[in-house]
Amino acid sequence: DQQVKQNSPSLSVQEGRISILNCDYTNSMFDYFLWYKKYPAEGPTFLISISSIKDKNEDGRFTVFLNKSAKHLSLHIVPSQPGDSAVYFCAARQGGSEKLVFGKGTKLTVNP
Amino acid sequence: EAGVVQSPRYKIIEKKQPVAFWCNPISGHNTLYWYRQNLGQGPELLIRYENEEAVDDSQLPKDRFSAERLKGVDSTLKIQPAELGDSAVYLCASSFGPQPQHFGDGTRLSIL
Repeated sequence: DQQVKQNSPSLSVQEGRISILNCDYTNSMFDYFLWYKKYPAEGPTFLISISSIKDKNEDGRFTVFLNKSAKHLSLHIVPSQPGDSAVYFCAARQGGSEKLVFGKGTKLTVNP
Repeated sequence: EAGVVQSPRYKIIEKKQPVAFWCNPISGHNTLYWYRQNLGQGPELLIRYENEEAVDDSQLPKDRFSAERLKGVDSTLKIQPAELGDSAVYLCASSFGPQPQHFGDGTRLSIL
């Protein structure tokens, strides 16, 4: 049973527009969520995170929103740039544990 | 700051052969992780070390996989004998305290 789900395998947006990547989770014990970005042939790179005590965290062009009641989070990228083209992984961590549970990833393509 | 270093980057072996991967974490990072990433999936934790102690190896197939982290720094992951289903990218990550994990670029293993 997959505890972290990214239901969109791919997303294509135009440069300058907003990219919205979605993630759902089933384990109510998760209390910390992260987004990682991965380019081909490289390891995942940490992008942004949010604690379950918050509903929003912003870092430059990247904003993560958390809706605990819906067990849903989303990553907004505004404005999108061609260099943002990568696979984005949502990950979740349970309180008291360092173990991360990852989704399958969403491949974002930003077209010039 | 140097990142997590893994070697080799690529490895091709025949089934039933042994194989080993090496990881050098970021200096000062006391926690080290080994993940396996299958095609189209997110990384899945195999084993986690706190210094030299393996604190979570519940997902490590112990009949053929082994790992060690001597002196609490570098780590090796070994598979013996390798099976066709072991073809994947093996990622090493490290972290300090509750900070996000930093990943290496991985070793892509192909079993013939």
